[in-house]
Amino acid sequence: GIQVEQSPPDLILQEGANSTLRCNFSDSVNNLQWFHQNPWGQLINLFYIPSGTKQNGRLSATTVATERYSLLYISSSQTTDSGVYFCAAHETGGTSYGKLTFGQGTILTVHP
Amino acid sequence: NAGVTQTPKFQVLKTGQSMTLQCAQDMNHNSMYWYRQDPGMGLRLIYYSASEGTTDKGEVPNGYNVSRLNKREFSLRLESAAPSQTSVYFCASRSGNTGELFFGEGSRLTVL
Repeated sequence: GIQVEQSPPDLILQEGANSTLRCNFSDSVNNLQWFHQNPWGQLINLFYIPSGTKQNGRLSATTVATERYSLLYISSSQTTDSGVYFCAAHETGGTSYGKLTFGQGTILTVHP
Repeated sequence: NAGVTQTPKFQVLKTGQSMTLQCAQDMNHNSMYWYRQDPGMGLRLIYYSASEGTTDKGEVPNGYNVSRLNKREFSLRLESAAPSQTSVYFCASRSGNTGELFFGEGSRLTVL
């Protein structure tokens, strides 16, 4: 199966700072998702982004599938952004179930 | 719109006891999944069901069984719980149109 690696593993910010989280994947994927797991454990869909750039408020994501990476940008961070950010890649290869492989996550802590 | 609903949210078992985690989705998705999440790790796939009547093993199927009761429901059963199965379990369903995955809120299981 594919490998999904995220960096950095941990990130500490002051409120108002900007940050970039990176996700590299080892092989061809037919899609990529970013999730935020909040301190209560809920997994919240952020972006479903096979390629190109999407924006949602202070968050945006860019996937360059040919170079096998995706970036998540958080601008003007807030304490509510704290939690773990996961990227997950859908494998290609003719499978119909769309197995999703997760990275290890980036733990983000935003201090007031 | 409830999305993906899991029950119970919390459960404590003794070693050797059995239990079933229930999952239901109301989005008319064909594919459903069970993941487990352990501290410091991403999500690992236990079992999945590409459509009603079919199930397949994921990365970590040992000690678990599943049933795809109908299109809406996908249950996960622990026949003889072990402390190594202490984890947070997530059910998910996948949109056939976009491939996007949607998660339930998780079930925290402790095996003593």
